[in-house]
Amino acid sequence: SQQGEEDPQALSIQEGENATMNCSYKTSINNLQWYRQNSGRGLVHLILIRSNEREKHSGRLRVTLDTSKKSSSLLITASRAADTASYFCATDTGGGNKLTFGTGTQLKVEL
Amino acid sequence: EAGVAQSPRYKIIEKRQSVAFWCNPISGHATLYWYQQILGQGPKLLIQFQNNGVVDDSQLPKDRFSAERLKGVDSTLKIQPAKLEDSAVYLCASSLSGANTIYFGEGSWLTVV
Repeated sequence: SQQGEEDPQALSIQEGENATMNCSYKTSINNLQWYRQNSGRGLVHLILIRSNEREKHSGRLRVTLDTSKKSSSLLITASRAADTASYFCATDTGGGNKLTFGTGTQLKVEL
Repeated sequence: EAGVAQSPRYKIIEKRQSVAFWCNPISGHATLYWYQQILGQGPKLLIQFQNNGVVDDSQLPKDRFSAERLKGVDSTLKIQPAKLEDSAVYLCASSLSGANTIYFGEGSWLTVV
């Protein structure tokens, strides 16, 4: 079963704009991770936020976590065409790095 | 550093036939995962190995799917007999023991006709 639900399912923006995608999950977590998947390729780890953290930054990425609402958001600032991909959140609920992935957000960045 | 290697990249088989996928993880990674990703969905964990032992195979359809990692390095995932609903990308991934970052291969695309 899918633990996470991403919203929106699809997002189309212009280059230079910011992109925000959200993830909601159902059960308590140890950590939440975001991955990117380019079309026809494997997934690439972007960033991890632990359950006791509220915000984390990595380059143009900003992740927030609200455990009371069981939700997370991924913000990509100053988007580029190369950011076009699907983005998935994944939750680790029981340790052991057993990840449950959400349904993904398809981001398209147009020139 | 070499990434996770998978083969074959693409496979088309008829239903009821068998297929096998091979994975070579990143050197030194004790933990190996097989995920199934159906088109339009997120990956679903099928099986997780720690060295050559199974950590979790609760979502592996054991009547038709099997996986092994005999020497704690390479792994093989087999489907026999295949069903139409097995059409998906099979992703192999690996990580250092205890580490959170998982590294994925490019996937093996299976079409069952």
